[in-house]
Amino acid sequence: TQLLEQSPQFLSIQEGENLTVYCNSSSVFSSLQWYRQEPGEGPVLLVTVVTGGEVKKLKRLTFQFGDARKDSSLHITAAQPGDTGLYLCAGGGNTDKLIFGTGTRLQVFP
Amino acid sequence: GAVVSQHPSRVICKSGTSVKIECRSLDFQATTMFWYRQFPKQSLMLMATSNEGSKATYEQGVEKDKFLINHASLTLSTLTVTSAHPEDSSFYICSAEGSGSVEQYFGPGTRLTVT
Repeated sequence: TQLLEQSPQFLSIQEGENLTVYCNSSSVFSSLQWYRQEPGEGPVLLVTVVTGGEVKKLKRLTFQFGDARKDSSLHITAAQPGDTGLYLCAGGGNTDKLIFGTGTRLQVFP
Repeated sequence: GAVVSQHPSRVICKSGTSVKIECRSLDFQATTMFWYRQFPKQSLMLMATSNEGSKATYEQGVEKDKFLINHASLTLSTLTVTSAHPEDSSFYICSAEGSGSVEQYFGPGTRLTVT
């Protein structure tokens, strides 16, 4: 069974701090996506990475796909209260199905 | 682009009744739609995958006779929770994927409460 473990599970920080969320698996994925979900809403796609070692930047967010395509990280620079939410990584394989990570709940205080 | 809607956003029903949830891709054709269930403060759990015009594929442990899925067109999939019980209360989310795409776009979710 493919599993995606995210760490940390919870993160509570002050505005302006930097943070990194990790997404790890023992399985290889052909693609990896990051989503952010706010309470009572569906997840919103942030980025898709498909190449080992790939780095993508989205304003203050930097996403990296591990060289072996088994892990990924999300780094947020100068976090803002608007970054608060549940961050989910999701790995794609040979089928259309996504395997979702365990989630990281981020709270940024002003 | 890539907008997915769900209806209703919230529903309260009595135990034993059935509830239908609709998932629509508004600006693209979704060859595949997915249905997820999410418990409070937890990640998403895939329930089933549906392809337009064919029977849904259910994940292990999901009762296909209880959670009826229909994907009659490239823009609409429905999930019917039959004979609902309080333990079926949850947040149900659909997603849609276009042909040749690896990305899923999610609906806003439906909060089901069974009393």
